[in-house]
Amino acid sequence: QSVLTQSPSASGTPGQRVTISCSGSSSNIGSNTVNWYQQLPGTAPKLLIYSNNQRPSGVPGRFSGSKSGTSASLAISGLQSEDEVDYYCAAWDDSLNVVVFGGGTKVTVL
Amino acid sequence: QVQLQQWGAGLLKPSETLSLTCAVYGGSFSDYFWSWIRQPPGKGLEWIGEINHSGNTNYNPSLKNRVTMSGDTSKNQFSLRLDSVTAADTAAYYCASVYCGGGSCYSATFNFWGQGTLVTVSS
Repeated sequence: QSVLTQSPSASGTPGQRVTISCSGSSSNIGSNTVNWYQQLPGTAPKLLIYSNNQRPSGVPGRFSGSKSGTSASLAISGLQSEDEVDYYCAAWDDSLNVVVFGGGTKVTVL
Repeated sequence: QVQLQQWGAGLLKPSETLSLTCAVYGGSFSDYFWSWIRQPPGKGLEWIGEINHSGNTNYNPSLKNRVTMSGDTSKNQFSLRLDSVTAADTAAYYCASVYCGGGSCYSATFNFWGQGTLVTVSS
């Protein structure tokens, strides 16, 4: 059972906006920045969003992140077929003294 | 741009020791923090721990008694050792660099990743 809670799945049609949520607590999301990772099958995760809402160089602008209180969200605007992969949120936890991850959300493009 | 290349044994028997090494290219081991993360087949990600350029380590308490991380500045490499493995340790293991900026390093921000090593523990 993951410390950060994500819905197992999310879906949308091409061009739609899809939002993935990540729920935590005051010791992790509530007091530290949130990062999002994208993972294609059989490959290493890739940093998609860092510091809640910052995109690394090369990440398309249709990916955006936000945080409010003890929850965070990843939004994909203009959903494309190649977005049909897994997404994970992560943050430092001050109580556990570990990096905690969400269980992952699989996005399906209908 | 930093590139990480990792290697190590992929098949172990219960009670053996897992040993993986990650080489750093395009950057210096001395400049960043470095982490290991694992992912059991079909499951989510688990942080194993991190090591910095001074050799200071921080391990996940769930694995602390079995984990050792080390770094070799001269070879620009860092390593993971996990003792007394069981089937529960079967996973893809990844090395990763920790993003550092503005004088701070952010332990949950992994900006570059190794290709991963699938380690299977089976008798």
